[in-house]
Amino acid sequence: DTGVSQDPRHKITKRGQNVTFRCDPISEHNRLYWYRQTLGQGPEFLTYFQNEAQLEKSRLLSDRFSAERPKGSFSTLEIQRTEQGDSAMYLCASSAGGEGSPLHFGNGTRLTVT
Amino acid sequence: KNEVEQSPQNLTAQEGEFITINCSYSVGISALHWLQQHPGGGIVSLFMLSSGKKKHGRLIATINIQEKHSSLHITASHPRDSAVYICAGEGPARRGNEKLTFGTGTRLTIIP
Repeated sequence: DTGVSQDPRHKITKRGQNVTFRCDPISEHNRLYWYRQTLGQGPEFLTYFQNEAQLEKSRLLSDRFSAERPKGSFSTLEIQRTEQGDSAMYLCASSAGGEGSPLHFGNGTRLTVT
Repeated sequence: KNEVEQSPQNLTAQEGEFITINCSYSVGISALHWLQQHPGGGIVSLFMLSSGKKKHGRLIATINIQEKHSSLHITASHPRDSAVYICAGEGPARRGNEKLTFGTGTRLTIIP
């Protein structure tokens, strides 16, 4: 068990560019979550997968955001035409699901849009 | 008004003091999580509880469902406990509603 890993750790991009982040959950965890955290705030829910099915998307997830989990294992989060307001820490978490299953978080990807 | 509120926002204490962080929520939840976030962003799950009390080492978490209130206690606090502590409510149990609603966190600083 190597934990939840996210790649890259940091990403600096110019406004208008597209970026893609990857999350590898703990193997056999069927639930995968994406959250976004801005400075001084708690994380905000973006989207959630159960296996490969995307079950819920936050209204925070505009049309420029898309997430996939094609084989029910790793997930990608893509942001198109980035804006400065997209600058944040993007956190991924996974769990085995079921009552009492704790969440395991990755270390996050810090995005800076210049 | 946030659905999950924590107090205090910042807390500074001397090493050895007993620490209490409070969390109140206004939404229906199936479970409440306490998380610890260190500088650099990594988040560690401390507790997940839906009733009563849980203890792990020097950490104790309690929840009162009727009052929609939870507390995190740290006994014999130590500088390594310095971190941001976040409570989060997990949605009522139904498919697709297991997402967390987070509080804004309590920044704890323990001075040696």
